[in-house]
Amino acid sequence: NFLLTQPHSVSGSPGETVTISCTRTSGSIVTNYVQWYQQRPGSAPTTVIYEHYQRPSGVPDRFSGSIDSSSNSASLSISGLKTEDEADYYCQSYDSSTQVFGGGTKLTVL
Amino acid sequence: QLQLQESGPGLVKPSETLSLTCSVSGGAISSLSHFWGWIRQPPGKGLEWIGSASYSGNTFYNSSLKSRVTISVDMSKNHLSLQLISVTAADTAIYYCANGNFYNILTGWGYWGQGTLVTVSS
Repeated sequence: NFLLTQPHSVSGSPGETVTISCTRTSGSIVTNYVQWYQQRPGSAPTTVIYEHYQRPSGVPDRFSGSIDSSSNSASLSISGLKTEDEADYYCQSYDSSTQVFGGGTKLTVL
Repeated sequence: QLQLQESGPGLVKPSETLSLTCSVSGGAISSLSHFWGWIRQPPGKGLEWIGSASYSGNTFYNSSLKSRVTISVDMSKNHLSLQLISVTAADTAIYYCANGNFYNILTGWGYWGQGTLVTVSS
């Protein structure tokens, strides 16, 4: 099995751009889609990015996903940071028989 | 808009069986393009995939839980079920059901239920 490694925490000020990384330990980050989920305190997760780059309807275009094959990692970028973006963010991917979540990153909006 | 609602006992005794149901509204569970699953989150910790299923009977389970877990899809009731046998305190968590309409059964999730807390204690 593989792991998805995320930073424990990131922070930014309103209006800034923050990026959260997600590194896959084995297997290709490119050929296995990455999803990103937002979880506000006390709430269920919601999907902000699916299939590497796609945004579900209703998710603002301030949220974007990217893939870097050289580092075997994915990233979630949030631009024009708002206080409402303060939450835990989880990346998730899979292989032929299993699905894995990253450990989660706490985003603090200062 | 698809809606998912988990239900079941909030308290289960050690060594007994945890049984949860996820009621689906706003769509048919029998849709070929949809996949269904359960994810859990111990208090204060991260998300853990339990397993995934399709209405046609394909299932995949987390290897750490595979010997204890069964996920099934009931088309007649339009709901998804989870059974976890021989529970211990380590199974205490919020349990979420989820739906995915993406590349394959393991790709990921587009819709989530609100979650239900299950505590394992005598």
